[in-house]
Amino acid sequence: EVQLVESGGGLVQPGRSMKLSCAASGFTFSNYGMAWVRQAPTKGLEWVATISYDGSSTYYRDSVKGRFTISRDNAKSTLYLQMNSLRSEDTATYYCTRWGRPFDYWGQGVMVTVSS
Amino acid sequence: DIQMTQSPSVLSASVGDRVTLNCKASQNINKYLNWYQQKLGEAPKLLIYNTNNLQTGIPSRFSGSGSGTDYTLTISSLQPEDVATYFCFQHNSWPTFGSGTKLEIK
Repeated sequence: EVQLVESGGGLVQPGRSMKLSCAASGFTFSNYGMAWVRQAPTKGLEWVATISYDGSSTYYRDSVKGRFTISRDNAKSTLYLQMNSLRSEDTATYYCTRWGRPFDYWGQGVMVTVSS
Repeated sequence: DIQMTQSPSVLSASVGDRVTLNCKASQNINKYLNWYQQKLGEAPKLLIYNTNNLQTGIPSRFSGSGSGTDYTLTISSLQPEDVATYFCFQHNSWPTFGSGTKLEIK
């Protein structure tokens, strides 16, 4: 069974950093691209970043480019999102998702609140 | 970026009804269109991929169709457990989601 389990969220002040992790199991992690998708409270879904199966290629939405870094450790079957210079508009639930069909499996999400 | 417009934003229907949800892209997305179901407090779940392919484990009452810029999700016989928000999503270019259709039971 495919499982994606996010961790690392919480309350953070504007301008500070936070790193999210996503532990994957139930499939060959190194065979799949992965992504982060976020959802602000009571809002729709927004793609954030994608990384290729081997980590050689990364893609970001414009609003996070230069502030967020997506990475992966295939030996640990873990996906990461390093978020720097956080803003109030980054407040959202962040979902880890597999780029299968794409976005065929999702984690349960982790809440990130950016507030002073 | 490609804009995805869903209609209606809220749909109220009775159990057993045939329900159609619409999604319109701002340009041709070559059938690279997925549909997701999100129940309250849960993560999204993939229902349909690439316009008309049913994801494993999804009931056959769900189906998808469309081409070019216009796509639909149909539920052939609405069930109480189908209450949710439905999002369309295009992956023809930089990924974008629609704003969702909230489906309610009358």
